Amino acid sequence: GQSLEQPSEVTAVEGAIVQINCTYQTSGFYGLSWYQQHDGGAPTFLSYNGLDGLEETGRFSSFLSRSDSYGYLLLQELQMKDSASYFCAVGGNSNYQLIWGAGTKLIIKP
Amino acid sequence: DGGITQSPKYLFRKEGQNVTLSCEQNLNHDAMYWYRQDPGQGLRLIYYSQIVNDFQKGDIAEGYSVSREKKESFPLTVTSAQKNPTAFYLCASSKRQGADTDTQYFGPGTRLTVL
Repeated sequence: GQSLEQPSEVTAVEGAIVQINCTYQTSGFYGLSWYQQHDGGAPTFLSYNGLDGLEETGRFSSFLSRSDSYGYLLLQELQMKDSASYFCAVGGNSNYQLIWGAGTKLIIKP
Repeated sequence: DGGITQSPKYLFRKEGQNVTLSCEQNLNHDAMYWYRQDPGQGLRLIYYSQIVNDFQKGDIAEGYSVSREKKESFPLTVTSAQKNPTAFYLCASSKRQGADTDTQYFGPGTRLTVL
């Protein structure tokens, strides 16, 4: 079957750096995406990796290693507003569908 | 401003009733999706449509129906056959061509509660 694995919860301190890992097992691969969802809100797109390497967008970076079927989201200079759930998602086929992980709840302490 | 709208934001339904959730987008996206999210869980795909007048079942289509008569609109009907319909429903859209074809843009969601 197709699956994505990510930790259910991560706790960090304000101002610190945190890494959220995602491993995937899919029949196809059309890129790894990351989305943020605040409680009660809708997911919003953060980052996309189609090729191996690091993509940086402000305080957020995302990494992909296709040979390891692995990626991560790196959040720097954590702020309280970063408290949210973070989902990795893989484009598993050419039908523009995404396969979603179960999400990682990021808890930030002052 | 371009975006996706869903209505209503909150919806209450009695058991045995069908209910239709609205989803409209003005992003000129070809593909549209419906997801269900239960508390503390990820997103599960109900239905998706890549083009007008065409749609496919996702992982949990039983008890749901959709239509795609216009590019901008993709309404979801939750039928009485859906055994546990209380959930947060999210509509999304994406481009079919060009860059970022996998990026999905979400509406604000509809929270359905069956009484």
